[in-house]
Amino acid sequence: GQNIDQPTEMTATEGAIVQINCTYQTSGFNGLFWYQQHAGEAPTFLSYNVLDGLEEKGRFSSFLSRSKGYSYLLLKELQMKDSASYLCAVRDKLTGGGNKLTFGTGTQLKVEL
Amino acid sequence: GAVVSQHPSWVICKSGTSVKIECRSLDFQATTMFWYRQFPKQSLMLMATSNEGSKATYEQGVEKDKFLINHASLTLSTLTVTSAHPEDSSFYICSARGTSGRGEQYFGPGTRLTVT
Repeated sequence: GQNIDQPTEMTATEGAIVQINCTYQTSGFNGLFWYQQHAGEAPTFLSYNVLDGLEEKGRFSSFLSRSKGYSYLLLKELQMKDSASYLCAVRDKLTGGGNKLTFGTGTQLKVEL
Repeated sequence: GAVVSQHPSWVICKSGTSVKIECRSLDFQATTMFWYRQFPKQSLMLMATSNEGSKATYEQGVEKDKFLINHASLTLSTLTVTSAHPEDSSFYICSARGTSGRGEQYFGPGTRLTVT
């Protein structure tokens, strides 16, 4: 199975930059996803990494190092609406027909003034 | 594009009754859909993978006779919680696998089930 670890909570200031880390262990790595989830709502897709390196998408960037089993989500120019839970999810080609995502417990980000 | 709807958004039922939740992909065909359960302040736990025209694949510990899944078409999957108990109260979320090469999942808005 997969073990996915991410911090439980983080706090940052509006306008600042925050980095949310995720480490994982999996046998047949086949992609890592980041999702944003506001309380009581469904997750929304943010980013996808399958090769090493940085993927930039507006204020959000995601980095992957497969050899280290490590990813981070970088949020720039933080806004109050960015307060949410950020979920790291890993896909393993050896389970669930290669479609199954295993989610971390999520990092609750609080953006303060 | 890639919109997934779920109905109902919330439901309250009595112990022992059954509840059906629908998940639809509105603007794309989804051969594979997923059903998750999420308890407060916890992450998403996959219950089962639903494949169009075949039996669902259930995760370990999920009772297939209690959580009935039917994926009758490329745009609709249903989850029926049979003989519901208070411990089944949870947030149920479906997702559909996108058609891009990335295979990301698009989530429905979720269904809040409360069993009294």
